[in-house]
Amino acid sequence: NAGVTQTPKFQVLKTGQSMTLQCAQDMNHNSMYWYRQDPGMGLRLIYYSASEGTTDKGEVPNGYNVSRLNKREFSLRLESAAPSQTSVYFCASSLGDSGYTFGSGTRLTVV
Amino acid sequence: AQSVTQLDSQVPVFEEAPVELRCNYSSSVSVYLFWYVQYPNQGLQLLLKYLSGSTLVKGINGFEAEFNKSQTSFHLRKPSVHISDTAEYFCAVSDRTGGGNKLTFGTGTQLKVEL
Repeated sequence: NAGVTQTPKFQVLKTGQSMTLQCAQDMNHNSMYWYRQDPGMGLRLIYYSASEGTTDKGEVPNGYNVSRLNKREFSLRLESAAPSQTSVYFCASSLGDSGYTFGSGTRLTVV
Repeated sequence: AQSVTQLDSQVPVFEEAPVELRCNYSSSVSVYLFWYVQYPNQGLQLLLKYLSGSTLVKGINGFEAEFNKSQTSFHLRKPSVHISDTAEYFCAVSDRTGGGNKLTFGTGTQLKVEL
């Protein structure tokens, strides 16, 4: 049982480049989330998808887009990367009030 | 909007000593509360959660937390820590408005267990 799988684990981008972070879960969870983690700031919600076919902005959505491709997959896209988007990105999923299951993260550096 | 405050950014403690990690929240509605642990270079793992019922919640690895509604707190405790408990701990509150179970996280507390 893999849980939540994120790819890639590491990525270096140049300013202005684009990329998509992939996330897939195999637990039949309804809801999926993208967070970014920065030192001293905890985790901040970028976008979430309460159920298949819906997406909503979180606390820090600027510069990002998301796609809930199906119930399993939820991708995060950076259209034009900026140094301020250097961070560790976590995908998570949940079912009801069970709490989140997190992926292992993507460490992104924008130079 | 809900918020979570973890006042202690770092907590050093000797092995086998007790520890308390503090968490306070603000919310205008009833809340669900969570504690997560993050080991270096890993994702977050659920330690325990409060949804309803008994205010004393027991979790994995010997941790427990007590929900105090009047003080809007959800402090995490362990009576005797081990070196392997060295990690970052995050408190989170659930916001169920607008669908999904969005969590708002605190800024984290780094627990460092020393010999």
